[in-house]
Amino acid sequence: GDSVTQMEGPVTLSEEAFLTINCTYTATGYPSLFWYVQYPGEGLQLLLKATKADDKGSNKGFEATYRKETTSFHLEKGSVQVSDSAVYFCALSDTGSARQLTFGSGTQLTVLP
Amino acid sequence: DTGVSQNPRHKITKRGQNVTFRCDPISEHNRLYWYRQTLGQGPEFLTYFQNEAQLEKSRLLSDRFSAERPKGSFSTLEIQRTEQGDSAMYLCASSPVVNEQFFGPGTRLTVL
Repeated sequence: GDSVTQMEGPVTLSEEAFLTINCTYTATGYPSLFWYVQYPGEGLQLLLKATKADDKGSNKGFEATYRKETTSFHLEKGSVQVSDSAVYFCALSDTGSARQLTFGSGTQLTVLP
Repeated sequence: DTGVSQNPRHKITKRGQNVTFRCDPISEHNRLYWYRQTLGQGPEFLTYFQNEAQLEKSRLLSDRFSAERPKGSFSTLEIQRTEQGDSAMYLCASSPVVNEQFFGPGTRLTVL
């Protein structure tokens, strides 16, 4: 079945540092790929998505590129802020009619001032 | 606020009791999903509705779990004879189209 493997956390960075959170997937067909973010005490929010190979999703300074050849969708940000502290989830949606999401286990990011 | 709402936000129950959670999706979203999230893990898919029809159910959804979406609006998730292993956050998401799910805040269930 489909699966998503995320870089294990927690990750602690200083403000303005470069962020990479690795994500690889296993799926049949051509899934869509997502990054969701969960801020403390809040629900899951869609951060960015990519629906086909070589697409780049971007939002709030975060970027991720759909790499079919390496089955990866790594999240990057050039300069993190304290407000980026949250749990980040990589996910894919299958190509069936339901399009349910399969999530990775999440990566806790803490940014220190 | 026109986001997805879930009630209650927290539920504490004793083992063996039945519980019911409610999800109100964003108006006119015809796709509705339930997920379960345990501590330190990502959400896991439970079931999917398109309008009032339940079209997909995960193997995680044992026969103690039942979900409904009468009239294609709100949805309920009932767990009968709760077990300690049912303790988790239950998340609802709705979607107007594929590839765009909006999540509610979740209902945290604790089974004592």
